[in-house]
Amino acid sequence: DSGVTQTPKHLITATGQRVTLRCSPRSGDLSVYWYQQSLDQGLQFLIQYYNGEERAKGNILERFSAQQFPDLHSELNLSSLELGDSALYFCASSLRNPGQGAADTQYFGPGTRLTVL
Amino acid sequence: GESVGLHLPTLSVQEGDNSIINCAYSNSASDYFIWYKQESGKGPQFIIDIRSNMDKRQGQRVTVLLNKTVKHLSLQIAATQPGDSAVYFCAEKNTGNQFYFGTGTSLTVIP
Repeated sequence: DSGVTQTPKHLITATGQRVTLRCSPRSGDLSVYWYQQSLDQGLQFLIQYYNGEERAKGNILERFSAQQFPDLHSELNLSSLELGDSALYFCASSLRNPGQGAADTQYFGPGTRLTVL
Repeated sequence: GESVGLHLPTLSVQEGDNSIINCAYSNSASDYFIWYKQESGKGPQFIIDIRSNMDKRQGQRVTVLLNKTVKHLSLQIAATQPGDSAVYFCAEKNTGNQFYFGTGTSLTVIP
C-alpha cells in the first residue's frame, strides 16, 4: 500500500458526460501528480500541483482540469467525455516539488479505471 | 515533444539470471531519469533513479546505467526472481518538470 488513495476505483459513464476523480496524497506529501494510462499511449503525465499551486503541465486536454485543495487532496475533472478518454487514471504524490536534476520518489495510487461508453 | 521508447516490448529470463531492460530517450536536456515497476492491477512503483550528472547508480539487486552520448538508459536486475515479473517503465524528467514515460517492457521470469 503506497498510502495514496484514489476514488472511485471504477467509473462507467457515457460520452459527453463529466466526471471527477479524487486523490488523497500520502500524509505529509505536498506534490500531487496526475497520469493517464491507456493501451495505445502508455503512461502520460497530465499535470502536477505543489501545495495548492499548479507547477507543471503535460499532455492534458483542455477538457480536463485539476486542482489541489488546502487539505492537499486533489481532484481531476474530465468533461465532454469521449470514447478515447477511457483509461486508467493514476494519482501520485511526493514530498517536495521536483527540483533541478532530481525529484522525490513518487508514490502512485491504485488508479481509477474510467470507461466511457 | 519528448519521446521515450523501449527497445523490446517483452523479455523472458530464467530465474536466477540477470535481466537487462533498455530504454532510449530523445531529449538531451532531460535531467533526471527513473525506472518504475508495474504489477498487474497496481500503480507504478519506484525502483531506482539517476540524475543526468551520473552514469551509474546501484540499488539492491538493481543497477541503472545512463549513457547520455547515445541517450540510452538501462535497468539491470541481478538474480532475477519470480516476483520481478512485471512491466517496467523508464521515465525522464525535463527541465520543465514534465515527466515522460516509455511504453513499457514486460518481464517474465521463468521458474
